[in-house]
Amino acid sequence: GAGVSQTPSNKVTEKGKYVELRCDPISGHTALYWYRQSLGQGPEFLIYFQGTGAADDSGLPNDRFFAVRPEGSVSTLKIQRTERGDSAVYLCASSQGFLGSPLHFGNGTRLTVT
Amino acid sequence: DAKTTQPPSMDCAEGRAANLPCNHSTISGNEYVYWYRQIHSQGPQYIIHGLKNNETNEMASLIITEDRKSSTLILPHATLRDTAVYYCIVRVVNAGNMLTFGGGTRLMVKP
Repeated sequence: GAGVSQTPSNKVTEKGKYVELRCDPISGHTALYWYRQSLGQGPEFLIYFQGTGAADDSGLPNDRFFAVRPEGSVSTLKIQRTERGDSAVYLCASSQGFLGSPLHFGNGTRLTVT
Repeated sequence: DAKTTQPPSMDCAEGRAANLPCNHSTISGNEYVYWYRQIHSQGPQYIIHGLKNNETNEMASLIITEDRKSSTLILPHATLRDTAVYYCIVRVVNAGNMLTFGGGTRLMVKP
């Protein structure tokens, strides 16, 4: 079946611009996660949704980062006033949401801020 | 979540078993051990998880010591396509609890 889909796969933007990154989870998965991965590092947690609501947003680095999941399926990660330090691969994952269900990741969006 | 300790890198000959160790000496009774791997330019891929019993699936086997303070992921017949970074993660199993990734082990399978 289809896995987690992330678009675009690559995004280049100028410093100060606004960007949106999209995640289509596996159909029927109620939980959705965003992570960020810098070169040579492991993925770093940003935010987790259960259904439409953000259950844990403790990983968002500052208020320039925001994510929504209005209908409990597709999610959008929004970054305002991008900075060069925001350059990274942004990963999305989904899970069935029951106890212990594993996360399944997409291949990420590579964001480059110039 | 408990921290894990993994060797930064390992080599394995193609066709041989790859045994990847992980220490999690501070693991709690409600924490599972998960293994993921990440091949270059791809997202992390789920491999296997367990609580205290050994587990096996089509990808790998997971051996957890009786005191649960360490575990080993076994790839029985490594191929070149198994070259990846392997992450051992302990996770409190509440519904939806996220994964916290460490540095992982970079496994290089050599012909």
